[in-house]
Amino acid sequence: LAKTTQPISMDSYEGQEVNITCSHNNIATNDYITWYQQFPSQGPRFIIQGYKTKVTNEVASLFIPADRKSSTLSLPRVSLSDTAVYYCLVGDGGSYKLIFGSGTRLLVRP
Amino acid sequence: DGGITQSPKYLFRKEGQNVTLSCEQNLNHDAMYWYRQDPGQGLRLIYYSQIVNDFQKGDIAEGYSVSREKKESFPLTVTSAQKNPTAFYLCASSSHQSSYNEQFFGPGTRLTVL
Repeated sequence: LAKTTQPISMDSYEGQEVNITCSHNNIATNDYITWYQQFPSQGPRFIIQGYKTKVTNEVASLFIPADRKSSTLSLPRVSLSDTAVYYCLVGDGGSYKLIFGSGTRLLVRP
Repeated sequence: DGGITQSPKYLFRKEGQNVTLSCEQNLNHDAMYWYRQDPGQGLRLIYYSQIVNDFQKGDIAEGYSVSREKKESFPLTVTSAQKNPTAFYLCASSSHQSSYNEQFFGPGTRLTVL
């Protein structure tokens, strides 16, 4: 399974756009890129998933360059409630094993 | 309401005792998973089950056991062989109809060994 590298932490202010980049140099052809959000003492929550180019849903956008060796989760106009840990995962959807790294701790300040 | 339930939310155990954590889902998902999370760390896979009456070890299965007698239920037993069981335990499920990367998580059980 491809290993991912993310920043340990990020700070932002309410109303700003936040971009969290994940590196996955060993991504395989069949791998998808998936992002989860986790609040303290809760289970992670699926945010978004993509394979290439750009994916957008009601909460975030995911940008994936052509070489797919990295991806960027974009959170528009963050609020205090977006303070959480964000995990980037890479897998082919068939292995059943998700590798969660330490994630990126996002702190949104007033 | 569809979802995954875990009970209890908090659990205290004396050293040397086995304890069973409950996980139930009504999402009609085929696959179920157990993860362990230590403070400030990511999740580590303990066991997973793709179908009833079948399960596989994850990365840290030693000291744990599971069963999958029903599609809806995937209980985890933390045995006395688990040397450092104090942690946050998360159960998840996924559907064969969608990407396995999309897992739905329960609220978790926080286990403390006294």
